[in-house]
Amino acid sequence: DAGITQSPRHKVTETGTPVTLRCHQTENHRYMYWYRQDPGHGLRLIHYSYGVKDTDKGEVSDGYSVSRSKTEDFLLTLESATSSQTSVYFCAIRGDRLTSYEQYFGPGTRLTVT
Amino acid sequence: DAKTTQPNSMESNEEEPVHLPCNHSTISGTDYIHWYRQLPSQGPEYVIHGLTSNVNNRMASLAIAEDRKSSTLILHRATLRDAAVYYCILRRSSGTQGGSEKLVFGKGTKLTVNP
Repeated sequence: DAGITQSPRHKVTETGTPVTLRCHQTENHRYMYWYRQDPGHGLRLIHYSYGVKDTDKGEVSDGYSVSRSKTEDFLLTLESATSSQTSVYFCAIRGDRLTSYEQYFGPGTRLTVT
Repeated sequence: DAKTTQPNSMESNEEEPVHLPCNHSTISGTDYIHWYRQLPSQGPEYVIHGLTSNVNNRMASLAIAEDRKSSTLILHRATLRDAAVYYCILRRSSGTQGGSEKLVFGKGTKLTVNP
């Protein structure tokens, strides 16, 4: 298994509060991704990173920010959580080599915003 | 992004082969065909990918039509552990930062394996 952990694994928070989810990898991979998964939508890309301090938006980035101050950690922040951000959040990593096509996913974080 | 079309669900019996179809009629010449699967309560897992030729690995085989407008994931002997949602995804590289090789997931095919 790829060395990816996500924390917390479960979180319940109130509307309007800030929330930060952490993705940690031990593979020293350059590329990291945050997805959310909702019933009927499959997985959708929120933000991704292609190096320390290098990030870009995905298809559903509104209401989310990310930071990557070191290779192993990619943080996803909800500045002011809303009920529409209730979801399961997955982090993924990908290797640097041109042949590293596959993404490896973490176990997910289930976030409930009440 | 080019889209894929998959059946919502399929059923199979244990120990039998399973053929999971995917249509991608708007595929471009640089799009790779990827398959991932997601077991219940887990993150997606890479299965296989290909460009033009058929591919085999320890998990599955990928058969790609000659015109590349469709492909089929083949599980040679389904087991109960293969019950999952299978996603067919087209991966297009932007060629810039590399991380732009985003995966766009559809709804996938839910495979049920009967004992």
